[in-house]
Amino acid sequence: KAGVTQTPRYLIKTRGQQVTLSCSPISGHRSVSWYQQTPGQGLQFLFEYFSETQRNKGNFPGRFSGRQFSNSRSEMNVSTLELGDSALYLCASSSDSVFFYEQYFGPGTRLTVT
Amino acid sequence: AQTVTQSQPEMSVQEAETVTLSCTYDTSESDYYLFWYKQPPSRQMILVIRQEAYKQQNATENRFSVNFQKAAKSFSLKISDSQLGDAAMYFCAYRTIQGAQKLVFGQGTRLTINP
Repeated sequence: KAGVTQTPRYLIKTRGQQVTLSCSPISGHRSVSWYQQTPGQGLQFLFEYFSETQRNKGNFPGRFSGRQFSNSRSEMNVSTLELGDSALYLCASSSDSVFFYEQYFGPGTRLTVT
Repeated sequence: AQTVTQSQPEMSVQEAETVTLSCTYDTSESDYYLFWYKQPPSRQMILVIRQEAYKQQNATENRFSVNFQKAAKSFSLKISDSQLGDAAMYFCAYRTIQGAQKLVFGQGTRLTINP
């Protein structure tokens, strides 16, 4: 079974621009979560989508948004990029059954804002 | 809100020796999950071991085991017979038993294996 894939793997953007990152979960998984990883703040939860609905959201400004499609693929968007948005963005998928709670992580998208 | 603290930013161990990584957490919940994740350099984060808070028995996965002290809110990871491939960032994580798939991570411990 293929793992979680994220595209693109690397991205360089200029302050003020917007960016869209994509995540394809493991086949059959309906939950996709997004995390931001920075040296200063560590790993922080952004949001989770399940069956096209945002189920939980972390403490990030409204510039960070996401969505999930009917095939469970998810995208996150960051508008009006700031230098501090430079980070590794990880997504994780889970089957989200009652008895299964493991999250499988993708390789991440490295975003650099200049 | 739950918090997770890893007090050791860096650890090193000789190959074949045993090392213990520390993690403490704060929560008012009685049931929850705890995890240790490994993030090798430039590679994907993978789950090493998990512990359900309602289970008194400490989880074990091959060379990896935990010491779960619920009253003390402590969750340490022991790696036995350390191997070069164990070199990575290790993150302790907490998840509430109900609700969304949200992990709360500690700051991580960078583990170096000396040959």
